[in-house]
Amino acid sequence: GENVEQHPSTLSVQEGDSAVIKCTYSDSASNYFPWYKQELGKRPQLIIDIRSNVGEKKDQRIAVTLNKTAKHFSLHITETQPEDSAVYFCAATLEYGNKLVFGAGTILRVKS
Amino acid sequence: DTAVSQTPKYLVTQMGNDKSIKCEQNLGHDTMYWYKQDSKKFLKIMFSYNNKELIINETVPNRFSPKSPDKAHLNLHINSLELGDSAVYFCASSPSLRREKLFFGSGTQLSVL
Repeated sequence: GENVEQHPSTLSVQEGDSAVIKCTYSDSASNYFPWYKQELGKRPQLIIDIRSNVGEKKDQRIAVTLNKTAKHFSLHITETQPEDSAVYFCAATLEYGNKLVFGAGTILRVKS
Repeated sequence: DTAVSQTPKYLVTQMGNDKSIKCEQNLGHDTMYWYKQDSKKFLKIMFSYNNKELIINETVPNRFSPKSPDKAHLNLHINSLELGDSAVYFCASSPSLRREKLFFGSGTQLSVL
């Protein structure tokens, strides 16, 4: 995506394994980094977010880490379950928070 | 009591036609958006409005004209539809400008034949 790069584009893991999705951004003024999950045919929904004054945030099986110096942030899902299968989008604010730009998305498949 | 609702859910139309998509939010948010999701799932911002005022217009063709009659509504009118306009269009809202958590509508699948 524009100014936000996301990798990998697809990720297949075995149920119970961990999944990691990585994003990089270019605007050093970016200060808010959310992650959205979009199930097939549904709307994107926020699952976790992090602000630039924090290095890591955890919510049950999901966690996000942020490296401001390197301008990258990652989503970690532990103990993956089939219902985690979806498209995951990272995003970052640009233009002093006026605009939220999304990465290109990662299709996560959890095989049971 | 859907938070962000948009209609219609599906829209199938011929090239050259004009169509509208409506969006309403009952969350009391100040800021509303239109995003376009193409066949590769890429989500791209088109417009944002804050308290009925246009904030972002992302070099979208002027065949696309958003209208915000009040801060709870943001409609999208598209003139002279083209094949490349086929996509899913998502409306979204956030509490205020720079309060960035987005609440998305359920999307409108537009198919131009």
